[in-house]
Amino acid sequence: NAGVTQTPKFRVLKTGQSMTLLCAQDMNHEYMYWYRQDPGMGLRLIHYSVGEGTTAKGEVPDGYNVSRLKKQNFLLGLESAAPSQTSVYFCASNLGQGYDYGYTFGSGTRLTVV
Amino acid sequence: SQQGEEDPQALSIQEGENATMNCSYKTSINNLQWYRQNSGRGLVHLILIRSNEREKHSGRLRVTLDTSKKSSSLLITASRAADTASYFCAVRYSGAGSYQLTFGKGTKLSVIP
Repeated sequence: NAGVTQTPKFRVLKTGQSMTLLCAQDMNHEYMYWYRQDPGMGLRLIHYSVGEGTTAKGEVPDGYNVSRLKKQNFLLGLESAAPSQTSVYFCASNLGQGYDYGYTFGSGTRLTVV
Repeated sequence: SQQGEEDPQALSIQEGENATMNCSYKTSINNLQWYRQNSGRGLVHLILIRSNEREKHSGRLRVTLDTSKKSSSLLITASRAADTASYFCAVRYSGAGSYQLTFGKGTKLSVIP
């Protein structure tokens, strides 16, 4: 049981390049989330999904797009990377039926945009 | 932003001592959760307390919730060097569409052997 797996773990991009971060979970969780973590800022929600085929904006969605074509996968895309998107990105999931469940987090993707 | 606020930002204690961290939030909640993050790793869920609960225990962890003061505390008893990590509170606010957790900025705990 792998839990939540994020790929890649590290990436360096040049300004203007695009990339996709993949999150996969094998727990049959309904809800999935993408957060970014910056020093002194805590975790901020980028986008989330409450089920296959659904997505919604979080607190800081600009510059990112997401897709949830399969229940187990949640993709985060950067269309034109900017230095301000240098961050550590975390994916999380939870059961979602009701609200009393903790999140399971992936180990993160450290992205540097130069 | 409706982030929770942890206090203190950093805490350094000797092994064997107790560590207390506090969290304050802004409006009514469904539940409040605590997470641990070791350096360079993802967050790990520690404990969840519902809005109608006042205290919960899990091993060496004790969490209290005071909804009248909109605050929570996490107590780690008999701390160990392995408890060194950052601790985050996260709140699920009440209301329509409250699917998401809002995280605080964390308390960095150092336990000195």
